[in-house]
Amino acid sequence: TAGITQAPTSQILAAGRSMTLRCTQDMRHNAMYWYRQDLGLGLRLIHYSNTAGTTGKGEVPDGYSVSRANTDDFPLTLASAVPSQTSVYFCASSDSFSVGYNEQFFGPGTRLTVL
Amino acid sequence: QKEVEQNSGPLSVPEGAIASLNCTYSDRGSQSFFWYRQYSGKSPELIMFIYSNGDKEDGRFTAQLNKASQYVSLLIRDSQPSDSATYLCAVRRGSTLGRLYFGRGTQLTVWP
Repeated sequence: TAGITQAPTSQILAAGRSMTLRCTQDMRHNAMYWYRQDLGLGLRLIHYSNTAGTTGKGEVPDGYSVSRANTDDFPLTLASAVPSQTSVYFCASSDSFSVGYNEQFFGPGTRLTVL
Repeated sequence: QKEVEQNSGPLSVPEGAIASLNCTYSDRGSQSFFWYRQYSGKSPELIMFIYSNGDKEDGRFTAQLNKASQYVSLLIRDSQPSDSATYLCAVRRGSTLGRLYFGRGTQLTVWP
């Protein structure tokens, strides 16, 4: 199985443009997450979804939006990109949002550069 | 204070040595603790998790948890050059369900 796929692998985007980062999982996991990873700052949670139809804000949600129309897909949208959104974006999923053991599986990442 | 703190590193050890990675966390209600390994340019992958005080061993890896001291560590015995990576500590708090809080990571280099 593919696990989690993300697209695109990398992207250069002009400031002010919009973009959607795609994430699809085939593990039928209930919970999905979007993180950004920046040098020296580690992984920071942007948004999450504990089940299809619901979403929540993480640590750094400003400038980003998400939707969860079905179990498998969790797209992340930048409505008007700014250079500070240059980062590596990881999508992750886990079987359940509420149990103690909550292994999160990560996708391969999208490297985004906003100029 | 950041939720999860890791020794900043980088940490460099010779092949065959024990590498010790440390992590402290601020929320006493934290319930589960995870160690992820991330190779350069790759995504994080889970190597260990622990939720009870004491030690948990898996092959060359041992996770140690001390909830009273709010401290979790990862020991890598017989370190190999292939262990060279960044190690991320993550904590699941009781109050925020499935969310994980990650430390900034410790870069480990194992030299031959």
